[in-house]
Amino acid sequence: GAGVSQSPSNKVTEKGKDVELRCDPISGHTALYWYRQSLGQGLEFLIYFQGNSAPDKSGLPSDRFSAERTGGSVSTLTIQRTQQEDSAVYLCASSPGLAGLTDTQYFGPGTRLTVL
Amino acid sequence: KQEVTQIPAALSVPEGENLVLNCSFTDSAIYNLQWFRQDPGKGLTSLLLIQSSQREQTSGRLNASLDKSSGRSTLYIAASQPGDSATYLCAVKAGGFKTIFGAGTRLFVKA
Repeated sequence: GAGVSQSPSNKVTEKGKDVELRCDPISGHTALYWYRQSLGQGLEFLIYFQGNSAPDKSGLPSDRFSAERTGGSVSTLTIQRTQQEDSAVYLCASSPGLAGLTDTQYFGPGTRLTVL
Repeated sequence: KQEVTQIPAALSVPEGENLVLNCSFTDSAIYNLQWFRQDPGKGLTSLLLIQSSQREQTSGRLNASLDKSSGRSTLYIAASQPGDSATYLCAVKAGGFKTIFGAGTRLFVKA
């Protein structure tokens, strides 16, 4: 079946503009995660969804970052008033659930965001 | 605060060699530990997930072990191949939902 997909694959924007990044998880997966990978850095957790609710938003770096998930499926990560330090690869992952091996996370290819 | 460290940062081996990648974590109260590989410019591919109650998991030439009490996990790769060249990431999930990743080990297998 289809894996996790993300769009766009690349996004170049000007400082101060808003951007929206989309994630389509694997069908039926209830858990969805957003991460950020900056150049030369490890993966940084941003937010977690279980269904449409986000019980853990602790990784969002500032109030310029927000995310939503609708219909227990597609998720959108929005960055307002982008800054150059927001440049990174944004990765989305989904998992079937939280119990045991269903917690295995499957990653999308990522969106490379460049803020000029 | 949970911290995940991977050693070595980079490793170069000749084809056919067996090798071990190391991962350590500071808080032993983990829910599970997962090993991934990441190819340049690509997303992550899950290799193995070990639940906190397990000691090891095996998949093909890969074997991952977990010692919660000492805060360590190892990924053993048998008979390495050039196609194994990638960055290997260790990730720990503690109580809650946050997953903490190590910085990775960059592996290069020479033909």
